[in-house]
Amino acid sequence: KQEVTQIPAALSVPEGENLVLNCSFTDSAIYNLQWFRQDPGKGLTSLLLIQSSQREQTSGRLNASLDKSSGRSTLYIAASQPGDSATYLCAVAGFQKLVFGTGTRLLVSP
Amino acid sequence: EAQVTQNPRYLITVTGKKLTVTCSQNMNHEYMSWYRQDPGLGLRQIYYSMNVEVTDKGDVPEGYKVSRKEKRNFPLILESPSPNQTSLYFCASSPYYLDRERNGYTFGSGTRLTVV
Repeated sequence: KQEVTQIPAALSVPEGENLVLNCSFTDSAIYNLQWFRQDPGKGLTSLLLIQSSQREQTSGRLNASLDKSSGRSTLYIAASQPGDSATYLCAVAGFQKLVFGTGTRLLVSP
Repeated sequence: EAQVTQNPRYLITVTGKKLTVTCSQNMNHEYMSWYRQDPGLGLRQIYYSMNVEVTDKGDVPEGYKVSRKEKRNFPLILESPSPNQTSLYFCASSPYYLDRERNGYTFGSGTRLTVV
């Protein structure tokens, strides 16, 4: 059974810092991995999708990497801003469903 | 705009009163699914549908029903809601069969359900 773990559970940083969010998964048989952003009580916004054959994807200040063999992904956020404050979820796509981690709650202070 | 639309966004109901949460997508996606999100437990799959008339249970199907009579719609039915079904619900869709590696999931905005 696929299990997804995200570390840390919560992170508080001052504005401008570069930061890394971690995601690990137990079964490497995945189609892809998605990183989502969720604001409190809101929906899920897809940030990046990394196919299982890829090593990384970039979008603006965000860079996500994938090491399928070791079951790890990282989300790198450069020059963090208060608007980046949210919960970040990683999800691995296996047969018939996404399996989610429980998220990292990020707070960026001005 | 390509999207998954859920209704209602918020719902407060009483125990035992049947309700339906609607989900519709305009992307011609084959695959649709329902998830619930609870504090400390994350998002868990309730039901999914690979295509019209084909549905199957996810990880937490008890107390829920679904139907997929047409490709764009996938309603979630609670025949007799109970307080433990108070949660934030999300509908998702995906092209799925068209290159599983390349295609991700699109989620609706969520339905916050409270059962008293």
